[in-house]
Amino acid sequence: GAGVSQTPSNKVTEKGKYVELRCDPISGHTALYWYRQSLGQGPEFLIYFQGTGAADDSGLPNDRFFAVRPEGSVSTLKIQRTERGDSAVYLCASSDGLGENIQYFGAGTRLSVL
Amino acid sequence: GDSVTQMEGPVTLSEEAFLTINCTYTATGYPSLFWYVQYPGEGLQLLLKATKADDKGSNKGFEATYRKETTSFHLEKGSVQVSDSAVYFCALSKMDSSYKLIFGSGTRLLVRP
Repeated sequence: GAGVSQTPSNKVTEKGKYVELRCDPISGHTALYWYRQSLGQGPEFLIYFQGTGAADDSGLPNDRFFAVRPEGSVSTLKIQRTERGDSAVYLCASSDGLGENIQYFGAGTRLSVL
Repeated sequence: GDSVTQMEGPVTLSEEAFLTINCTYTATGYPSLFWYVQYPGEGLQLLLKATKADDKGSNKGFEATYRKETTSFHLEKGSVQVSDSAVYFCALSKMDSSYKLIFGSGTRLLVRP
C-alpha cells in the first residue's frame, strides 16, 4: 500500500478482555515499530521487528503485551487481560531499515478499555 | 537514559508571526534528531531531520539546527500560517538503540487568522 495501515482505527473493549491490533507496513519495509501514545504525551516505544524477529522488545510494559510478525510484513499487537490503564493510541511505524532508518507512521488505533 | 524535553504548549500565534519551539535532549553517543508533526485527525509525519552536529534540517519553511554544544534542536519558522496548526514532536534515535524514536511530550501550535 501507499502508507502504513492500522486496523481497527478505534477499538472499545471491556476490562479483562483480549484485543488484537493490526499493522500493515509499507511494502518492502523490513523494520516495523510499535509505539503507545497516551493523551497529552509523546509516543513511547514498545517493540521493534527486523524481518520476522523481535529485535528489541524492551518497551513492552509487562507480559500481557505480545507482538508477532510471522511473515515479515503484517504485524499484530496482542494485549491480554486488558486494563483501563491500557487505554491509549497504539501507533505502528515502518522503515526500510537502511541509512537513516526514517520511520513512517500509521494513523493509529485508539484503544479504550471500559 | 536518553530523553527529549520540549516546551509546553499550547503556543498561540497570529498568522505571519515568527515561531520558535524549544527542544533539548539528553543522550549518550551520537543521536539523530527529528521533528514530527501531527495534524488534527492524521498520523505523525516527519517534518525534518538532522543526523550530525551543525546539520540544519529544513522543510516547508521550518528549520532546525543540531547544536551539540547546547544539546538543542529548536524548531523555527519565519511566518506561520493557519494551516501550520498542529502538534509538533521533537525526537531522537540512535543506531545502537534499534533506531527507536524517543519523543518529547509534544507542543500544540494554534495559529489564528
